[in-house]
Amino acid sequence: NAGVTQTPKFRILKIGQSMTLQCTQDMNHNYMYWYRQDPGMGLKLIYYSVGAGITDKGEVPNGYNVSRSTTEDFPLRLELAAPSQTSVYFCASSSERRLVSDTQYFGPGTRLTVL
Amino acid sequence: GENVGLHLPTLSVQEGDNSIINCAYSNSASDYFIWYKQESGKGPQFIIDIRSNMDKRQGQRVTVLLNKTVKHLSLQIAATQPGDSAVYFCAEIYTGANSKLTFGKGITLSVRP
Repeated sequence: NAGVTQTPKFRILKIGQSMTLQCTQDMNHNYMYWYRQDPGMGLKLIYYSVGAGITDKGEVPNGYNVSRSTTEDFPLRLELAAPSQTSVYFCASSSERRLVSDTQYFGPGTRLTVL
Repeated sequence: GENVGLHLPTLSVQEGDNSIINCAYSNSASDYFIWYKQESGKGPQFIIDIRSNMDKRQGQRVTVLLNKTVKHLSLQIAATQPGDSAVYFCAEIYTGANSKLTFGKGITLSVRP
């Protein structure tokens, strides 16, 4: 059981480039989430999904897109990278209703720098 | 707007001492609170939670206290160990309609050997 895995671990982008952050979980969880964490700050929810084919915006969705074609995968897409998107991105999953956070399992994070 | 904040950005304690980490929240409708621990290079890890109908909850070496009157949350760690060194976040959750989870900024706990 690998839990929640994220790739890549680190990435540097130029302004205007695009990329996809990958997230996979092998726990058959219905709920998946993407957060960003800015230095010295808590996490902010970008997007979440309650099951395959269903996604919803979180607190800070602008500049991002997601898809959920399978239960296991929840990729996060940045279409036109901006310096404001420099952050650490965490993917998480849970088997129960979202925000019952003792069941949320977090991935190791992706550190993204946009120059 | 609503926010969750921590009183101190860093806390340094001697190994073996008790640690107290404080947190203020501003949404009186929040009904669920969580403390997370985040070690360097890792994602947050759940420590303990408390519902708004409680004022105290104990775990293994950790205790969370909730004072709804002053909207204050604290995490107490007994006999602090080097492995407790990490960033700690509080989070408040409103579980009603348009439920919302808000994280605090984080406080670094440094344990001196």
